[in-house]
Amino acid sequence: GEDVEQSLFLSVREGDSSVINCTYTDSSSTYLYWYKQEPGAGLQLLTYIFSNMDMKQDQRLTVLLNKKDKHLSLRIADTQTGDSAIYFCAEINQAGTALIFGKGTTLSVSS
Amino acid sequence: EAGVVQSPRYKIIEKKQPVAFWCNPISGHNTLYWYRQNLGQGPELLIRYENEEAVDDSQLPKDRFSAERLKGVDSTLKIQPAELGDSAVYLCASSFLDVAEQFFGPGTRLTVL
Repeated sequence: GEDVEQSLFLSVREGDSSVINCTYTDSSSTYLYWYKQEPGAGLQLLTYIFSNMDMKQDQRLTVLLNKKDKHLSLRIADTQTGDSAIYFCAEINQAGTALIFGKGTTLSVSS
Repeated sequence: EAGVVQSPRYKIIEKKQPVAFWCNPISGHNTLYWYRQNLGQGPELLIRYENEEAVDDSQLPKDRFSAERLKGVDSTLKIQPAELGDSAVYLCASSFLDVAEQFFGPGTRLTVL
């Protein structure tokens, strides 16, 4: 079935780059997403990538997609303490009706 | 423009009691979603509405959960009776036509004692 896997924790120092990785199972996914969730808040869409692209850059965020390996990554350049949050990778389900989320990666940024 | 509004933000009830959550989507968004997020997990879809029609409720435990979106705008999700395992954050999201860009509310954190 559809499944999205992520590593659970990442700890970095302020100013370093963070790379959060994700693997997914549904090769027919048209879009893949990264959401951010801060404590006590809902999910905020950070960025997404269309499946015919292999890279997308948006300010400090770079998304890399390897369709062959079904691997998605989110790189945050110059990571700040305000980037501390849980990051979710998501794909659209086969029916195209909803998002399938990973369990989330907790990013901890120390100063 | 206001985002997705949910109330209450927190709810604590005893098991076997009923509980209801309310969601008002972003104005003009015809698609509304209810997700459940268990501790340490990603959100999982419970039900999806297009206007007032529930188009995907396959993951909604229908013995105790019900939802409505009578006028195709705001929505209510109900649990009756609640069980200990229902403790979670219930998230509402909305989108305009496309499942791709969903906007989430802050969620209702339910604790069942």
